[in-house]
Amino acid sequence: AQSVTQLDSHVSVSEGTPVLLRCNYSSSYSPSLFWYVQHPNKGLQLLLKYTSAATLVKGINGFEAEFKKSETSFHLTKPSAHMSDAAEYFCVVSPQKRGGADGLTFGKGTHLIIQP
Amino acid sequence: EPEVTQTPSHQVTQMGQEVILRCVPISNHLYFYWYRQILGQKVEFLVSFYNNEISEKSEIFDDQFSVERPDGSNFTLKIRSTKLEDSAMYFCASRTQGEGTEAFFGQGTRLTVV
Repeated sequence: AQSVTQLDSHVSVSEGTPVLLRCNYSSSYSPSLFWYVQHPNKGLQLLLKYTSAATLVKGINGFEAEFKKSETSFHLTKPSAHMSDAAEYFCVVSPQKRGGADGLTFGKGTHLIIQP
Repeated sequence: EPEVTQTPSHQVTQMGQEVILRCVPISNHLYFYWYRQILGQKVEFLVSFYNNEISEKSEIFDDQFSVERPDGSNFTLKIRSTKLEDSAMYFCASRTQGEGTEAFFGQGTRLTVV
């Protein structure tokens, strides 16, 4: 069994300030972890992924996330928010099991608001 | 850049009618998925499909739902007799082989049942 908890349904930051979107997971297997972003009326776009290589993962648009096994966390950060970052962000877990045509489990999403 | 495409972008149907949502996955991908997102709620897994058969399905995916890959390129989701609660955004996704590979999502079909 696996689950994802995104601790904040909404996060509001000022443009130019740091962003922190929190995610905790549980998984019976060593997980792969992903962050996806959904802009209004758009599909889901991959920001970054962790697959048991480096624990600090860099993604697109200046985002990065750190996998912390001891804390079962995979928080998403960005040093300086931009207006175009306003969107819905989903933390997603996938168990790494053999031959896995496995379903991804989504968190409920965090709505990121950027104040000018 | 290759992408997953879904048609139509928006479908309105009457309760009790059948609908077919269509998806064209990325051509060399082997795993196919349907997810749905009811307005204001989380994205939920419906079904995964591999090697021409369902490999996993959720409790949501009951006998009203079926999937098909009729011609090697399209991947369809059929809802046999729609209910009001089937109104949602439906996302198709595909993935290549390999553990930890990411899924690529289409832009979704918004289904409205009236």
